[in-house]
Amino acid sequence: EAAVTQSPRNKVAVTGGKVTLSCNQTNNHNNMYWYRQDTGHGLRLIHYSYGAGSTEKGDIPDGYKASRPSQENFSLILELATPSQTSVYFCASGDNRGQNTLYFGAGTRLSVL
Amino acid sequence: GEKVEQHESTLSVREGDSAVINCTYTDTASSYFPWYKQEAGKSLHFVIDIRSNVDRKQSQRLIVLLDKKAKRFSLHITATQPEDSAIYFCAARAQGGRALIFGTGTTVSVSP
Repeated sequence: EAAVTQSPRNKVAVTGGKVTLSCNQTNNHNNMYWYRQDTGHGLRLIHYSYGAGSTEKGDIPDGYKASRPSQENFSLILELATPSQTSVYFCASGDNRGQNTLYFGAGTRLSVL
Repeated sequence: GEKVEQHESTLSVREGDSAVINCTYTDTASSYFPWYKQEAGKSLHFVIDIRSNVDRKQSQRLIVLLDKKAKRFSLHITATQPEDSAIYFCAARAQGGRALIFGTGTTVSVSP
């Protein structure tokens, strides 16, 4: 069973503070993704990566940075958190072969006060 | 870039009836259309997909139809059961494309 683990599961941050969301996968997948889920918007792509050392901008990258130091780990960084970044964040992994199914983590609920 | 519109935000059906969720996409190069399910308080998981070389695919009670001319695809849940209650997301990706682009989700409620 593919495994994607996110931490923390819940986070309360202050406006202007720095927040790091972490994601680890044991699937040996090349591709990893960060999405946020908001009512009325569904899932929106923030950043993604094709492999260690690579990061690409998704549809809503402003205010976010990403880091992929290894095949297994992909982080999402909010350098200066704002209340508009209050959301549920999902990390996912997938490979380039066959079905390209995405495997999602359990999500991180972030509140920026 | 690709945009995916999911037309029904909520669907209420009686147990045993069918539920149909419709999505449209904008990029004619899109060739892969999966569906994901999110049960209450949980993460998303894959349920079924269809590729552009076919126009129909079935997996047990789930049927996906694809109309490339209209750039439309749909999920049919037949003989619905209470455990089908969830949010369903459609998605699309162009061949060689970078990532899945998701619709806004449809909340399906199945009542006895």
